[in-house]
Amino acid sequence: QVQLMESGGGLVKPGGSLRLSCVVSGFTFSDYYMSWIRQAPGKGLEWVSYISGSGNTIYYADSVKGRFTISRDNAKNSLYLQMNSLRAEDTAVYYCARAPGSGWVDYWGQGTLVTVSS
Amino acid sequence: EIVMTQFPATLSVSPGERATLSCRASQSVSSNLAWYQQKPGQAPRLLIYGTSTRATGIPARFSGSGSGTEFTLTISSLQSEDSAVYYCQQYNNWPLYTFGQGTKLEIK
Repeated sequence: QVQLMESGGGLVKPGGSLRLSCVVSGFTFSDYYMSWIRQAPGKGLEWVSYISGSGNTIYYADSVKGRFTISRDNAKNSLYLQMNSLRAEDTAVYYCARAPGSGWVDYWGQGTLVTVSS
Repeated sequence: EIVMTQFPATLSVSPGERATLSCRASQSVSSNLAWYQQKPGQAPRLLIYGTSTRATGIPARFSGSGSGTEFTLTISSLQSEDSAVYYCQQYNNWPLYTFGQGTKLEIK
């Protein structure tokens, strides 16, 4: 079955950096777009970034452009999100998701919490 | 950016009754609309895509309708496990796909 497992979340000070990872199984990873979607505490969902199966097409939300970098290693079935210059407003649960090849999200990870606070 | 507005913000319905959740887009998204269910402490789960196609394993009591800018998620014969927050999402406006702010469904 399809599984997505995030790791790397934690507490970081404003201006700091963090790298999230997501290991997937149950499907041919390189065939699919993958995404990071976040949810601030008690708030709705925000699409942060996505990357095509080959890595040639990448999208970033304006709120993270220039600070976050998405990447993937198809040999390791892994998706990454390098987050630099973190701000308090980046505090959220970050979900790894299989999307948006067809537009919608059909599989989600369990999420990893990132807290930016001094 | 296409803004998705969901209403009501909170809906309270008795078990066995029908719940109707609405989602409005700031411009036409054709039929490129999905719905998700999120329970506390869990990741969202895909319910419906293409406005009305149920995802694998989703019970038939969940149905979607609409087109253009007005969409509806209907849950017939509500059960206690349907208590959750429901989100709509448009995927018509590449590359920026956007979610609504959610409707919290409470079972009386």
